[in-house]
Amino acid sequence: KAGVTQTPRYLIKTRGQQVTLSCSPISGHRSVSWYQQTPGQGLQFLFEYFSETQRNKGNFPGRFSGRQFSNSRSEMNVSTLELGDSALYLCASSLPSSGNEQFFGPGTRLTVL
Amino acid sequence: AQSVTQLGSHVSVSEGALVLLRCNYSSSVPPYLFWYVQYPNQGLQLLLKYTTGATLVKGINGFEAEFKKSETSFHLTKPSAHMSDAAEYFCAVSKNTGTASKLTFGTGTRLQVTL
Repeated sequence: KAGVTQTPRYLIKTRGQQVTLSCSPISGHRSVSWYQQTPGQGLQFLFEYFSETQRNKGNFPGRFSGRQFSNSRSEMNVSTLELGDSALYLCASSLPSSGNEQFFGPGTRLTVL
Repeated sequence: AQSVTQLGSHVSVSEGALVLLRCNYSSSVPPYLFWYVQYPNQGLQLLLKYTTGATLVKGINGFEAEFKKSETSFHLTKPSAHMSDAAEYFCAVSKNTGTASKLTFGTGTRLQVTL
């Protein structure tokens, strides 16, 4: 079974631009979560989608948004990029109940210049 | 609110020595607890998890952890370290409420294994 895939793996953007990251979950997984990883703040939860609905949201500004499609693929968008948005963005998929393992993708490394 | 504290941002052990990575949690509801490992330039891989039942949990690569409710701890151990164990380890907690999947992570412990 194929794992979680994220595209692109690396991105370089400039301040003020916007970016869209993509995540394809493991086949059969309908829950997709996004996390931001930075050296200063560590791993922080962004949001979770299940059946095309946002089910959970972390403490991030409205510039961070996401969506999920009917095939469970998910995208996250960051508008008006700031230098502090430079991070590794990780996507994880799981079966919908809590306690189930979240399978992580390799991440997208975003650098904002 | 839930939180996780990992004591020691860096731990160094000799190859063949015991590995002990500490994790304490805070949760207002019965928690689910996880240990993940991250190798450079990779995502996170689950080592083991505690949901219900037996408090001593065995995971992959010879790791195990014991859930101690009285101490609110979930320390990770491995009897004999191998060079390939060098990586960053994250303890995480989620709510045992049926549908919530949000993971709250600790700050991580970087394990160094020396010859």
